[in-house]
Amino acid sequence: DAKTTQPNSMESNEEEPVHLPCNHSTISGTDYIHWYRQLPSQGPEYVIHGLTSNVNNRMASLAIAEDRKSSTLILHRATLRDAAVYYCILRDYNNNDMRFGAGTRLTVKP
Amino acid sequence: ETGVTQSPTHLIKTRGQQVTLRCSSQSGHNTVSWYQQALGQGPQFIFQYYREEENGRGNFPPRFSGLQFPNYSSELNVNALELDDSALYLCASTEGPNTDTQYFGPGTRLTVL
Repeated sequence: DAKTTQPNSMESNEEEPVHLPCNHSTISGTDYIHWYRQLPSQGPEYVIHGLTSNVNNRMASLAIAEDRKSSTLILHRATLRDAAVYYCILRDYNNNDMRFGAGTRLTVKP
Repeated sequence: ETGVTQSPTHLIKTRGQQVTLRCSSQSGHNTVSWYQQALGQGPQFIFQYYREEENGRGNFPPRFSGLQFPNYSSELNVNALELDDSALYLCASTEGPNTDTQYFGPGTRLTVL
């Protein structure tokens, strides 16, 4: 099964953009790329997802490499409430398996 | 609209015992997925239930089993508990098995001594 690789931790300053990278070099053609985040003592929360094209929503943007072997989650202006563990996930809709990586712990400094 | 709820919040069991964890899905959702999250790791998919039938399973042994009821709530049962089963167990509900967004509950923290 394909898996994702993310940096263990990243830091950002408040109100600055944050780029969270993810490698998924063995991604299959049917895998979608999902991002969730998990705040302390809570379950994961959906952020964004995509297949091939870049995606934008109210929370973030997702940039997907042309070969789909990597992607980047972009938070345009980090706030203190964005401090969380961010998971890059491959989702195979054929068997409903969501394969989480180890996640990146984002620290936002005031 | 009520979100996903799980019970109990915490529990402690001893090795060899059996445990049942419960999940109430969000209103209007007919699909529930269960995940195991070991300390410091990402969640691992256990299985999904859709309309009372198992609809996909991860790499977990048969001693992990589940049920889904007509009201779409769900149970996760684990038999013959092992120390490595200590983890946060999360359930997530969706409007359907292929819906993009999963809504997670806060989890049940299981400790096996």
